[in-house]
Amino acid sequence: DGGITQSPKYLFRKEGQNVTLSCEQNLNHDAMYWYRQDPGQGLRLIYYSQIVNDFQKGDIAEGYSVSREKKESFPLTVTSAQKNPTAFYLCASSMKRSAGGNEQFFGPGTRLTVL
Amino acid sequence: GQQVMQIPQYQHVQEGEDFTTYCNSSTTLSNIQWYKQRPGGHPVFLIQLVKSGEVKKQKRLTFQFGEAKKNSSLHITATQTTDVGTYFCASNLNKFYFGSGTKLNVKP
Repeated sequence: DGGITQSPKYLFRKEGQNVTLSCEQNLNHDAMYWYRQDPGQGLRLIYYSQIVNDFQKGDIAEGYSVSREKKESFPLTVTSAQKNPTAFYLCASSMKRSAGGNEQFFGPGTRLTVL
Repeated sequence: GQQVMQIPQYQHVQEGEDFTTYCNSSTTLSNIQWYKQRPGGHPVFLIQLVKSGEVKKQKRLTFQFGEAKKNSSLHITATQTTDVGTYFCASNLNKFYFGSGTKLNVKP
């Protein structure tokens, strides 16, 4: 059963703690993305990766870090430097980008609440 | 700054009425994609448009890409309660940009 998974679905952390969100895909996609969505808002790109061991900052990368050691995995760490970390975090993947672009497949998301 | 602007932000319709959301960019887009996000869910890909002036239909949904490839629209004919959700346009310029979305509420 191919797809993209994120865990956990809900996550609670105390202020000042780092937390890592998991994202795994078995679609053999080259590109992976992390987005942040706040209530009633659109999606804002945090980081993206087009190939293993390489990633680029999106529009709101400050306070976040990522790694891409394996094609299947793209974990996101929300650090204590992130001022307002409470949000809905969505991971997505797509085939290697061509001139026409490729649809993105999204995971179910992780709702992070920092207390 | 935001590369893709989307209007309206909200739309409330009576079931059976039509609905349209618009997406605009100041720069020429290579393609435009549309996604739907149900309440509490994640975005799901609907369609991609690539050609200037392209029109595609999916049952009651009609998607258009402008002649100048700077705007796009999604039109739903005779809305149903199953159409409830937020509709996003998106495009990959040098990065992937999503519009702010249009939240559709359908009253039965």
